Amino acid sequence: GQQLNQSPQSMFIQEGEDVSMNCTSSSIFNTWLWYKQDPGEGPVLLIALYKAGELTSNGRLTAQFGITRKDSFLNISASIPSDVGIYFCAGQDSNYQLIWGAGTKLIIKP
Amino acid sequence: SAVISQKPSRDICQRGTSLTIQCQVDSQVTMMFWYRQQPGQSLTLIATANQGSEATYESGFVIDKFPISRPNLTFSTLTVSNMSPEDSSIYLCSVMLLDSDTYNEQFFGPGTRLTVL
Repeated sequence: GQQLNQSPQSMFIQEGEDVSMNCTSSSIFNTWLWYKQDPGEGPVLLIALYKAGELTSNGRLTAQFGITRKDSFLNISASIPSDVGIYFCAGQDSNYQLIWGAGTKLIIKP
Repeated sequence: SAVISQKPSRDICQRGTSLTIQCQVDSQVTMMFWYRQQPGQSLTLIATANQGSEATYESGFVIDKFPISRPNLTFSTLTVSNMSPEDSSIYLCSVMLLDSDTYNEQFFGPGTRLTVL
């Protein structure tokens, strides 16, 4: 099925570094969502974006909905060990179904 | 938000058997979904569970293999029938709240980790 283009696939960073990941699509979405999944858990919603150009923050997380409605990025500032996990972007279509990115695995180097 | 629980949390099953996974939500929700997540992969939508009517299945998924029930607005089951090792995955229940506060946000249960031998 359709999938968003999410990059990078994985990131190895030092604690305290900033992180950036993004998603692009050939289709327009009305809503973009960013989730984090820890091992053995379901995805947890981090940020939801509803308007083109919207910039939203949630603590150290910042996400933006692209002006064309075809892309979004997620930034994490000053990473900490609990940020480790897999981050997924998802676009919601007009039928409320989610189209998912492949995920970005975040690993923090000791 | 919504609190979602799934049973069982994990199971190891023999080839050819069936497993029914339960999803319970702490509030009435309009839309419930079932997803599959194969090891190291993203999520794939299996079907939308419709209350009082047959589920709506995505391409590649059929009712005979993945029968779904949704008897009310807080509960649904997914059965994985005649299992094979290829069915080994995490199965996730998801709900969507349709109200102005959450703008159609989708929440996920903890998942059921299924291993088929």
